[in-house]
Amino acid sequence: EVQLLESGGGLVQPGGSLRLSCAASGFTFSTSPMSWIRQAPGKGLQWVASIGANGIATYYADSVKGRFTFSRDNSENTLSLQMNSLRDDDTALYYCAKGASTRPFDYWGQGTLVTVSS
Amino acid sequence: EIVLTQSPATLSLSPGERATLSCRASQTVSNYLAWYQQKPGQAPRLLIYDASNRATGIPARFSGSGSGTDFTLTISSLEPEDFAVYYCQQRSNWPLTFGGGTKVEIK
Repeated sequence: EVQLLESGGGLVQPGGSLRLSCAASGFTFSTSPMSWIRQAPGKGLQWVASIGANGIATYYADSVKGRFTFSRDNSENTLSLQMNSLRDDDTALYYCAKGASTRPFDYWGQGTLVTVSS
Repeated sequence: EIVLTQSPATLSLSPGERATLSCRASQTVSNYLAWYQQKPGQAPRLLIYDASNRATGIPARFSGSGSGTDFTLTISSLEPEDFAVYYCQQRSNWPLTFGGGTKVEIK
């Protein structure tokens, strides 16, 4: 069974940093592109970032480029999203998902909530 | 950036009725279009990928069609568990984008 388990969310002040993690199991992680997708409260889905299977290629939404860094550890089957210079409009539920441009998002975690507020 | 426009924003129907949801892309996405279902408090679930392929475990009452810029998700006969929000998403070009969603509500 495919499982994606996000962690690391919480309350942070504007300008602060947070590191999200996603633990994956139940599939061949090292050959799977992965992504982060977020959903602001009461709003729709917004793609945030994707990473290739080997971790070399990364892609970011313009709204987070230069502030967020997406990485992966294929030996541990984990993803990390380092979020710096956080803004109020980064407040959202952050999902990790299996898939990117070569495959649809076929599995999603349950999300971790990030709240940016003073 | 490819903009996906979903219509209608809300669809009010009764169980057993047919639902037809539209997704229009601002430029061609070939067939790299997916549909997701999201219920309150849950993560989205993949229903259809590459415009017309049902994902694993998705009932046959869900079908997708279209190519290029115009796509349709059809639910042939609504079941009570189908009332939810539906999103389309393209993976043809970066940035990956989602439509704004269509809420299918009970009439």
